[in-house]
Amino acid sequence: EPEVTQTPSHQVTQMGQEVILRCVPISNHLYFYWYRQILGQKVEFLVSFYNNEISEKSEIFDDQFSVERPDGSNFTLKIRSTKLEDSAMYFCASSEGVEAFFGQGTRLTVV
Amino acid sequence: AQTVTQSQPEMSVQEAETVTLSCTYDTSENNYYLFWYKQPPSRQMILVIRQEAYKQQNATENRFSVNFQKAAKSFSLKISDSQLGDTAMYFCAFRNFNKFYFGSGTKLNVKP
Repeated sequence: EPEVTQTPSHQVTQMGQEVILRCVPISNHLYFYWYRQILGQKVEFLVSFYNNEISEKSEIFDDQFSVERPDGSNFTLKIRSTKLEDSAMYFCASSEGVEAFFGQGTRLTVV
Repeated sequence: AQTVTQSQPEMSVQEAETVTLSCTYDTSENNYYLFWYKQPPSRQMILVIRQEAYKQQNATENRFSVNFQKAAKSFSLKISDSQLGDTAMYFCAFRNFNKFYFGSGTKLNVKP
């Protein structure tokens, strides 16, 4: 069964460092998303991506965040200068148009 | 604005019993989708069931069924014959256009 895969599963980084979270969506899907979940809290929308561009982004997704689909398969989330409050579980999802299929998440810990 | 509300932060149920998780949402749209996702301790989000707003018939997937009340904007999940493996966080989600909105989740504990 096709699935969304995310790497790494856990990333520890120093505050102020750049991190790149990687995702391989399901191959025939057209819509891509990043969500985050701070421990014990709700799942928050970050950004949606369609047709090689951002279709919508939240207030959380400020200038420190960027997304790319560099090679037609990977979908990356970059945080330029991490803050302590960026520590969270980051979920990538893809959709063919109805339900979203989520990856297993990347736990980002900023120290 | 679209919002999703889950008013039960935590629930418990005995194994083999039935439990219902509540969800309400707010939207001015007429066409949308509703979902229940399960998040076990592994943290991965797994789709449990979906409902198209234009369908009056409630969706069913094995032991999981929904009670979709469009006028009341209510979308509850019923789990029958609860199993230990059902222990997880359950998130109600609403999809409109290109975005999913999630509720705050209900932690379900299935007790042996």
